[in-house]
Amino acid sequence: DQQVKQNSPSLSVQEGRISILNCDYTNSMFDYFLWYKKYPAEGPTFLISISSIKDKNEDGRFTVFLNKSAKHLSLHIVPSQPGDSAVYFCAASVDDKLTFGKGTLLTVNP
Amino acid sequence: KAGVTQTPRYLIKTRGQQVTLSCSPISGHRSVSWYQQTPGQGLQFLFEYFSETQRNKGNFPGRFSGRQFSNSRSEMNVSTLELGDSALYLCASSLDRAAGELFFGEGSRLTVL
Repeated sequence: DQQVKQNSPSLSVQEGRISILNCDYTNSMFDYFLWYKKYPAEGPTFLISISSIKDKNEDGRFTVFLNKSAKHLSLHIVPSQPGDSAVYFCAASVDDKLTFGKGTLLTVNP
Repeated sequence: KAGVTQTPRYLIKTRGQQVTLSCSPISGHRSVSWYQQTPGQGLQFLFEYFSETQRNKGNFPGRFSGRQFSNSRSEMNVSTLELGDSALYLCASSLDRAAGELFFGEGSRLTVL
């Protein structure tokens, strides 16, 4: 039973445009959500997070939106840059335990 | 500040053998979590240790075990290796919470032949 789903294995966008990565979850008890970015041959790095009591959190070019009624999370990157090309994992937490999605490979074309 | 260090980076084993992977967390971090990454399954939680105690465990068989030492360094062991254990094993550390901002190592790539 996959509690955190990233339905798009890959996404390709043009440099300067918006990248939107989506994530759906099934467990309504999740209270904290995070996005991690992973380059090849490196470990994942934390990008941005949001508490379940908020619906938006912004950090520079990165904004995370949370729609609790739809159990949907999205990450917006504006403007996208070639260096953003990586695998993005969303993760959700309950009882101090993280569940990750399978990841979405983002390719930003120059 | 040194990051999370995992050793070895790459290793090859045969079915039935056992393997031990090591993780040195960031200095001052007391929580160490282990994850398995495979192409089809993403990152799957193995277990988390805090102050030498296993605080949380994922849905993996008993062949997967771990421990944490007093200096917060951690090891995980996989016994009776199977082909399906081939994966990237990632260690992550944090100050105290296991579900906040984690700092990951580069991983140990295990290949089981």
